[in-house]
Amino acid sequence: GEDVEQSLFLSVREGDSSVINCTYTDSSSTYLYWYKQEPGAGLQLLTYIFSNMDMKQDQRLTVLLNKKDKHLSLRIADTQTGDSAIYFCAESWNSGNTPLVFGKGTRLSVIA
Amino acid sequence: DAEITQSPRHKITETGRQVTLACHQTWNHNNMFWYRQDLGHGLRLIHYSYGVHDTNKGEVSDGYSVSRSNTEDLPLTLESAASSQTSVYFCASSETGIGYTFGSGTRLTVV
Repeated sequence: GEDVEQSLFLSVREGDSSVINCTYTDSSSTYLYWYKQEPGAGLQLLTYIFSNMDMKQDQRLTVLLNKKDKHLSLRIADTQTGDSAIYFCAESWNSGNTPLVFGKGTRLSVIA
Repeated sequence: DAEITQSPRHKITETGRQVTLACHQTWNHNNMFWYRQDLGHGLRLIHYSYGVHDTNKGEVSDGYSVSRSNTEDLPLTLESAASSQTSVYFCASSETGIGYTFGSGTRLTVV
C-alpha cells in the first residue's frame, strides 16, 4: 500500500536553511504536499508540487522532487523561530479527489 | 467566507459512551474526510465520503462510523468509546483540482 516516510526531528539555528526530507512509495502519486502544524493548531497548506515538476519555489520555500527516487524535500531559507512546527509530507494521485496519505511529520526546532 | 468547522474543540467522555464529533463545511465540497492524529503516527484516515449517501472506510475505521445526509456535514460517531480512541480528530473537505481544507480539530479524551 501507500507509504510516506519522514525523519521525525530536525534542529537548526535561526538564520540557517532547513531541509526536511520525505520519501513515498506510490509511483502513481501525482500531487505532493507540504503542510505545517503549529502547536495546538490545525494543518496549514504550505505548498504543493505536481509530479511533472522538478522544483517549485515560493518565497523562502523551495520544493524539490526526484520522481525516480520518489524523494521530496522542503527547504526553508533563513529559518526563523516562527518556523518551529511539525511539517507533514502528504501525497495523493488525484488532487482533491482522493484521500491524502500523510507521513508521520517532522518536528522542526529553531534555536535562537 | 466559506469555512470548515469542527465541534466541540475539546471533549472528555467515559469509556463505553457513544460520542459524535461534528464537521460542517460551507465550501460546497463533495469530498469530506476524517483523520486522527496520534504521536508517532501522523494523520491516519478513518472514513471518507465522496458525496451524499456515500461513505468509505479508511485505514483505521474500526469502532467509528459516519453518515452523509447532506453536502455540508459529515459527523463521526464513536459507537462505544475506548481509551485507545483518545486522540485529536481532524476533518477535511476537498473538491477535484482545488485541494484540501482542514478544520481546527477536536481533542477527544476517553477516561
